[in-house]
Amino acid sequence: NFMLTQPHSISESPGKTVTISCTRSGGNIADNFVQWYRQRPGTSPTNVIYEDDKRFSGVPDRFSGSIDSSSNSASLTLSGLKPEDEADYYCQSYDGSSWVFGGGTRLTVL
Amino acid sequence: QVQLQESGPGLVRPSETLSLTCTVSGGSISSGDHFWSWVRQPAGKGLQWIGRIYTSGYTYYNPSLKSRVALSLDTSKNHFSLNLTSVTAADTAVYYCVSSSYYAFWSGPHAWGKGTTVTVSS
Repeated sequence: NFMLTQPHSISESPGKTVTISCTRSGGNIADNFVQWYRQRPGTSPTNVIYEDDKRFSGVPDRFSGSIDSSSNSASLTLSGLKPEDEADYYCQSYDGSSWVFGGGTRLTVL
Repeated sequence: QVQLQESGPGLVRPSETLSLTCTVSGGSISSGDHFWSWVRQPAGKGLQWIGRIYTSGYTYYNPSLKSRVALSLDTSKNHFSLNLTSVTAADTAVYYCVSSSYYAFWSGPHAWGKGTTVTVSS
């Protein structure tokens, strides 16, 4: 089994680009696909990225996903930040039988 | 895309059984294309997958909860249910029902319910 570790919080200004990391401990990040979800306060999560780098329907191309085997991590990059991007972001992968979620990153758009 | 709606008691006493139901609309729970799962989130904390069920009745549970969890489904009512026994305050959380692809379970939830808050307290 493995864990996914995310930074607790990140802050950035509108219009800028931010990258949220998700580091896998145990096994190779490329062994299993990574998904990303956004959760605004008081609402249920919504799907952003699936299978490492594919955007869900309706997700703007300001959002992109990638994996990096050298750092054993996945990343979610948001460009042209908008105030409405402020939310919690979660990564998720699969250990062969169960979903594994990262602890979440609170993105603040100042 | 299917829609999901959780229902059940918002308050459960310690040591008792938490029971929730998820009603599915916009698709049949018997379609065979989906796994049906529960995910929970304690206040201010992250997401935890509880378990999944398939239309055949096949189930698989998070090993950390396996001894206390049971999922079931009722195709006549197009809903599936969660039972969590011997609850403690640590089970206080928002509970989400979700659907995912049977063919690509690794890709995580594709649709989420709005969630229902369950508090464990005497």
